[in-house]
Amino acid sequence: GQNIDQPTEMTATEGAIVQINCTYQTSGFNGLFWYQQHAGEAPTFLSYNVLDGLEEKGRFSSFLSRSKGYSYLLLKELQMKDSASYLCAVVDSNYQLIWGAGTKLIIKP
Amino acid sequence: GAVVSQHPSWVICKSGTSVKIECRSLDFQATTMFWYRQFPKQSLMLMATSNEGSKATYEQGVEKDKFLINHASLTLSTLTVTSAHPEDSSFYICSAFDGTGENPETYEQYFGPGTRLTVT
Repeated sequence: GQNIDQPTEMTATEGAIVQINCTYQTSGFNGLFWYQQHAGEAPTFLSYNVLDGLEEKGRFSSFLSRSKGYSYLLLKELQMKDSASYLCAVVDSNYQLIWGAGTKLIIKP
Repeated sequence: GAVVSQHPSWVICKSGTSVKIECRSLDFQATTMFWYRQFPKQSLMLMATSNEGSKATYEQGVEKDKFLINHASLTLSTLTVTSAHPEDSSFYICSAFDGTGENPETYEQYFGPGTRLTVT
């Protein structure tokens, strides 16, 4: 079956750096997305990786290793507004989007 | 980026009544739209995939006769919750993309703001 694993919850301190991991086992691979979702709101797009390596976008970076079935989202200079759930999603060989359960990130002052 | 709207934002209805939720792509044509349900503190659960001009594909465990989906145009899909019950109370989110399968990056899903349904 298809499976995406993320930690359920993480806690970090304002101003620090946090890395949220995502491992996947899917039937084929056509890219991986990271989305941010604040409580009570719809998800918003953060990043897309289809090739191995690191993609940097401001305070957020996303890394992919296809051989390891692994990705991480790196958040730097954490701000209180970064408190949210972070969803990892993989596009499989049928171009279906497979969602992880999400990681709830709690930022403490 | 592309904009997807949803209406209504929230709705309260009595048990046994039906509720219709609209999902519109405002500045692009969406060949495919998705309907998700999200219960508190849980991740998105895909309910069905809606393709313009054809029947929706429902995920296992989702009753197609209870959750009616219509995708009559390239910019509008509707979800009707029929004979709603308190257990149907949830956050319903639609998303859309115009991906063709040739460029996976176009499979970025643009999400609507969601509809919070409360059935009393």
